[in-house]
Amino acid sequence: DAGVTQSPTHLIKTRGQQVTLRCSPKSGHDTVSWYQQALGQGPQFIFQYYEEEERQRGNFPDRFSGHQFPNYSSELNVNALLLGDSALYLCASSLGRGDLSGNTIYFGEGSWLTVV
Amino acid sequence: AQKITQTQPGMFVQEKEAVTLDCTYDTSDQSYGLFWYKQPSSGEMIFLIYQGSYDEQNATEGRYSLNFQKARKSANLVISASQLGDSAMYFCAMRERFTDKLIFGTGTRLQVFP
Repeated sequence: DAGVTQSPTHLIKTRGQQVTLRCSPKSGHDTVSWYQQALGQGPQFIFQYYEEEERQRGNFPDRFSGHQFPNYSSELNVNALLLGDSALYLCASSLGRGDLSGNTIYFGEGSWLTVV
Repeated sequence: AQKITQTQPGMFVQEKEAVTLDCTYDTSDQSYGLFWYKQPSSGEMIFLIYQGSYDEQNATEGRYSLNFQKARKSANLVISASQLGDSAMYFCAMRERFTDKLIFGTGTRLQVFP
C-alpha cells in the first residue's frame, strides 16, 4: 500500500518563475492538503482539496493555487516566485471527514523549493 | 482561535531513558483531535500517535504514549526507552473541527545521546 508520494523532492527556481508540485494521496484517501514549512518553523496550512474543489484556504496570496484531479492526486502551483517562498512544501492526505474516529492524516516526504 | 504551544525548543535525553515532550492547546470546541509527528532532517512528517478528545484512555503506539489531560488542555508525548534514531523534530498538532486542517506548534528538537 503506497503512502503519500510527492514530486519533485528538490528543485531550484529563479525569482519570478512559476513552479508546480505534485502529490498522490495514500490509497483510499480523497482529501489532499498542502502546507508550507519555512526553515525552523512549524508547517502552515495553504489549502485543502476535496472532490476536486478547494474546500478551505489558509492565509496565502493568490499566487498560490492548486488543483485536484479525479484520481484524487493534486498539484500546487506558485506563480511569480519570491525569495520568501523558499521552504519545504508538504502534502497531507486523509479521508476528509474531520470526524474523531481516528481518521489519521498522513504526510509525504515533501518538496524542498529553493528560490534564488 | 485554536492554538498549539510547545514550550521546549530543545530537549536532550540519554539513550534508553524516557522523555516527555510538552504540548498545550487552546480551543473552544468540545470535539477535536490531537496528533504528534516526528520530522527527521530529511523533512518527512511521520505520524506517531493520535488522541481524540472523547477518548477515555490515553493513546499508546509502541514506545509512544500520549499523556492527555483534558482539563489542563495538555497532550504531552512520552517516549520510553529512547533510541539514537529518535533524534528529530517533534510537532504537536490539532485538527480543526469538521475539517482535516492541522494547526501545528513550533516543535521540539529532541537529541538522544549515547
